Amino acid sequence: GNSVTQMEGPVTLSEEAFLTINCTYTATGYPSLFWYVQYPGEGLQLLLKATKADDKGSNKGFEATYRKETTSFHLEKGSVQVSDSAVYFCALSVARDSWGKLQFGAGTQVVVTP
Amino acid sequence: EAGVTQFPSHSVIEKGQTVTLRCDPISGHDNLYWYRRVMGKEIKFLLHFVKESKQDESGMPNNRFLAERTGGTYSTLKVQPAELEDSGVYFCASSQGRGSYGYTFGSGTRLTVV
Repeated sequence: GNSVTQMEGPVTLSEEAFLTINCTYTATGYPSLFWYVQYPGEGLQLLLKATKADDKGSNKGFEATYRKETTSFHLEKGSVQVSDSAVYFCALSVARDSWGKLQFGAGTQVVVTP
Repeated sequence: EAGVTQFPSHSVIEKGQTVTLRCDPISGHDNLYWYRRVMGKEIKFLLHFVKESKQDESGMPNNRFLAERTGGTYSTLKVQPAELEDSGVYFCASSQGRGSYGYTFGSGTRLTVV
């Protein structure tokens, strides 16, 4: 079956620090990969996505590269801000057989302090 | 355009009671999904409607959960009778086309069963 494993939180960082959240996956078929973010009191928002190997998704200073050889999709940001405090979810979808159904990881809470 | 609306935002009920969660998708979105996150674990798929029909209900945990989508518009998720392990955050999402890329999530309903 499909599964997503991401690093446990909480991750606490100082402002302007470098952030990495590890995500690895197993999938039957060829998945698309996503990072979603949930800010306090809000719904899930798509942060970035990649649909094929070696694609790099990017948004709001965040980046993640689809690595098929290591089945990974690690999220990185070079300089975090307090406003980046949120819960981040890695997810995949195997569109061929799932009608867009998403398989999520457990989420990683990130806390950025001034 | 209005987003996906869920209510209530919070619900606290006693074990054995009934609770109904509601989701109003974005107008015109045929696809409606329910997910839930239990106790800080991964967000899990519950079911998927295409218009008023259940396309995939493989994630529904048991027959205490009943989902409906009247006329292909809003959807309700009823839990009857509620158990302690049903506590969590229930998310709804909608999309116009097939696939994960166009998902819009609601802000979720936090259900606490005591």
